[in-house]
Amino acid sequence: EPEVTQTPSHQVTQMGQEVILRCVPISNHLYFYWYRQILGQKVEFLVSFYNNEISEKSEIFDDQFSVERPDGSNFTLKIRSTKLEDSAMYFCASQGSEAFFGQGTRLTVV
Amino acid sequence: ILNVEQSPQSLHVQEGDSTNFTCSFPSSNFYALHWYRWETAKSPEALFVMTLNGDEKKKGRISATLNTKEGYSYLYIKGSQPEDSATYLCAFNPYSGAGSYQLTFGKGTKLSVIP
Repeated sequence: EPEVTQTPSHQVTQMGQEVILRCVPISNHLYFYWYRQILGQKVEFLVSFYNNEISEKSEIFDDQFSVERPDGSNFTLKIRSTKLEDSAMYFCASQGSEAFFGQGTRLTVV
Repeated sequence: ILNVEQSPQSLHVQEGDSTNFTCSFPSSNFYALHWYRWETAKSPEALFVMTLNGDEKKKGRISATLNTKEGYSYLYIKGSQPEDSATYLCAFNPYSGAGSYQLTFGKGTKLSVIP
């Protein structure tokens, strides 16, 4: 079964610090996404990525967020200056005919 | 903002009971409806991708139906087992041109099957 891998599984960071969340999507997929889930709330769309550029982003995905695919395999989400409210599970998804999710990174901002 | 609603929010059933829950979504600009099964501490697992009005898909004891004209999908579990306990998420996939298939998720239905 295809697998999307995310690292780290858990990251604790101080408010104001930069974090980079990493994802290795499925190799022959073309569409990649980041979602997040704040505890007790819905899974929320952050951004989609196609053909090496952002194709859509939500209101949540402000200037503090960026994504890139630096080496053609990893897909990263960077949060430049973390806030307490950024604490959430962040999921990467890779889509061909269906979407596959990674195990998630639990980000805790203290 | 796309409205994807799931009901009920949570459900407790006895082992062996059959159950069903609902996902409602916008009836316009439909491309696909996805169902996921999400166990605690694991990533969402794709169950079905449904694209055609009237579609019915089946995977073992789990099946789903789709009505795109009225904007709803039902997920059925026949003879529930404790291992079916999970949160079942639906996600609406509108058509938005080439290059993106953004999914909007419902909040999920949390199913607990009591042995």
